[in-house]
Amino acid sequence: GQNIDQPTEMTATEGAIVQINCTYQTSGFNGLFWYQQHAGEAPTFLSYNVLDGLEEKGRFSSFLSRSKGYSYLLLKELQMKDSASYLCAVRDPRRANNLFFGTGTRLTVIP
Amino acid sequence: GAGVSQTPSNKVTEKGKYVELRCDPISGHTALYWYRQSLGQGPEFLIYFQGTGAADDSGLPNDRFFAVRPEGSVSTLKIQRTERGDSAVYLCASSYRTGAGGELFFGEGSRLTVL
Repeated sequence: GQNIDQPTEMTATEGAIVQINCTYQTSGFNGLFWYQQHAGEAPTFLSYNVLDGLEEKGRFSSFLSRSKGYSYLLLKELQMKDSASYLCAVRDPRRANNLFFGTGTRLTVIP
Repeated sequence: GAGVSQTPSNKVTEKGKYVELRCDPISGHTALYWYRQSLGQGPEFLIYFQGTGAADDSGLPNDRFFAVRPEGSVSTLKIQRTERGDSAVYLCASSYRTGAGGELFFGEGSRLTVL
């Protein structure tokens, strides 16, 4: 089966750095995605990791360790508009390459 | 169209009624996914199509739920004898490929309320 865990809520200050962790246990692995979802809106793609290491994209970076079943999303220079839910999702090749989501982490950025 | 289109955006129905939710994916995307999302939760997988066939329908909660994609493009999620617990946002997503990479593009969702 698929088990994808994230903290439920986090709070951070504008201008700071925040790290959102995700651990997963799935029957197979073919990549990990991070999505951002503002309240009442559709999820939008942020990043993708399939090999170990850090992928950097502007203020956002994502890290993967396949041996540990662990990823994190790093947000730098936080802005108020970064207040949203952040969803971790794993692609499982043993489930026809289907994509399974965690419950999401609701991030609140405060002034 | 430019993005994934879902209709209706909102649907209010009475317990026991039948509803259909429609998804029009991005042109050329062969993979189409249906998810259900309750407040404060992540998207819960329902069914995934590759072309016209269901590659994985193990997420459908029971036999009241059914989905089709007859021509490999538009998909319809059908819910019979709706129950209050079916109330949620139903998200559709499509992707160009399902191998490495192949990000999903989501529609705005259909919010279903069963009274």
